[in-house]
Amino acid sequence: AQSVTQPDIHITVSEGASLELRCNYSYGATPYLFWYVQSPGQGLQLLLKYFSGDTLVQGIKGFEAEFKRSQSSFNLRKPSVHWSDAAEYFCAVGARGINSNSGYALNFGKGTSLLVTP
Amino acid sequence: GAVVSQHPSWVICKSGTSVKIECRSLDFQATTMFWYRQFPKQSLMLMATSNEGSKATYEQGVEKDKFLINHASLTLSTLTVTSAHPEDSSFYICSAGGGRGDNYGYTFGSGTRLTVV
Repeated sequence: AQSVTQPDIHITVSEGASLELRCNYSYGATPYLFWYVQSPGQGLQLLLKYFSGDTLVQGIKGFEAEFKRSQSSFNLRKPSVHWSDAAEYFCAVGARGINSNSGYALNFGKGTSLLVTP
Repeated sequence: GAVVSQHPSWVICKSGTSVKIECRSLDFQATTMFWYRQFPKQSLMLMATSNEGSKATYEQGVEKDKFLINHASLTLSTLTVTSAHPEDSSFYICSAGGGRGDNYGYTFGSGTRLTVV
């Protein structure tokens, strides 16, 4: 069964510092990988996704992630964190259904809460 | 890009009543919709998968008689929480998949916060 692990429950970084949020997955085939951000009381905003191709993926808000098949990882990075980045971050894995047009459910990690200090 | 609309954003209801939540795909035909539940400070857990015109598939441990899902059209799925109790208070969020392009279920609605009093 597929699974997603986000090893860090909480991370605190200083504003302007770099950020890396870890995500490891377990899946038998090439997964579809996603990072979402959720502010308190809000829905999910998609930061970036990886389906295939270039393993370094650029997303919104200055985020990027790198797919490393050998390490089963899809870590999220940002070179300089802003106070507005404080939120909950979720890594998710999906797999195409048998019907290629049917879409698929996502399996989420437990999330990493990011705190940004002045 | 794909847009998924969810209503209401929040609802408060009395214990024992039923609440209906709507999930709409605005610019594509969603052959499949997914319903998730999120408890405070926790991750999202898949509740059920609904396919247009057929019965929903529920995840283990989810009561199908309590959480009624209808996907009668290619743009609308509804989740009805029947005889709601305080323990049903949670954040419910849907996603939709299908249609052309890469609308593969990763676009989410804005979620519904249900509080049962």
